[in-house]
Amino acid sequence: KAGVTQTPRYLIKTRGQQVTLSCSPISGHRSVSWYQQTPGQGLQFLFEYFSETQRNKGNFPGRFSGRQFSNSRSEMNVSTLELGDSALYLCASSLHAADSYGYTFGSGTRLTVV
Amino acid sequence: DAKTTQPNSMESNEEEPVHLPCNHSTISGTDYIHWYRQLPSQGPEYVIHGLTSNVNNRMASLAIAEDRKSSTLILHRATLRDAAVYYCILRDVEETSGSRLTFGEGTQLTVNP
Repeated sequence: KAGVTQTPRYLIKTRGQQVTLSCSPISGHRSVSWYQQTPGQGLQFLFEYFSETQRNKGNFPGRFSGRQFSNSRSEMNVSTLELGDSALYLCASSLHAADSYGYTFGSGTRLTVV
Repeated sequence: DAKTTQPNSMESNEEEPVHLPCNHSTISGTDYIHWYRQLPSQGPEYVIHGLTSNVNNRMASLAIAEDRKSSTLILHRATLRDAAVYYCILRDVEETSGSRLTFGEGTQLTVNP
């Protein structure tokens, strides 16, 4: 079956711009989470959506937002981009919001802010 | 989330077994022990998880100490493709306000040919 699909794979944006990243979870998965990975901070949780509702949020400024659609696809948006937002953004999906099983991650979107 | 401690790096030779340790002395009774790995230029990949009993799957084995304060991920025959960062993570299965994975720094596994 198809895995988690993230688009685009690479993106270059200018400081001050805004960006929208997309994630299509595995078919049937209703939970989608987003993570930011940087060399300095490692993998950090951004937020999680389940059935179109944000159920959990990490410690990121309000410039980072997301949403989930009725088909479970999710988008995250970063407004007023800063150089420090350059990172690999990863999306992960699972069947339920809080179960004991594993998440499946996508390959990520590499965002470079110049 | 309860904290885990792993060695920063480990080295192994191809076709030899690898034992990756993880300490989690503050684990709670409802925490599952999960292992993920991240190969270069890819997202993390689920490897295995367990609660109390040892677990085996096609990728690896997970040995959990009787007091659950530590666990060991076992790769029975390392291959060059197993070179990755391995993360040991605790997940509270009873968390009702959503769920998150708290990644530490993980263990960078190098496999020598």
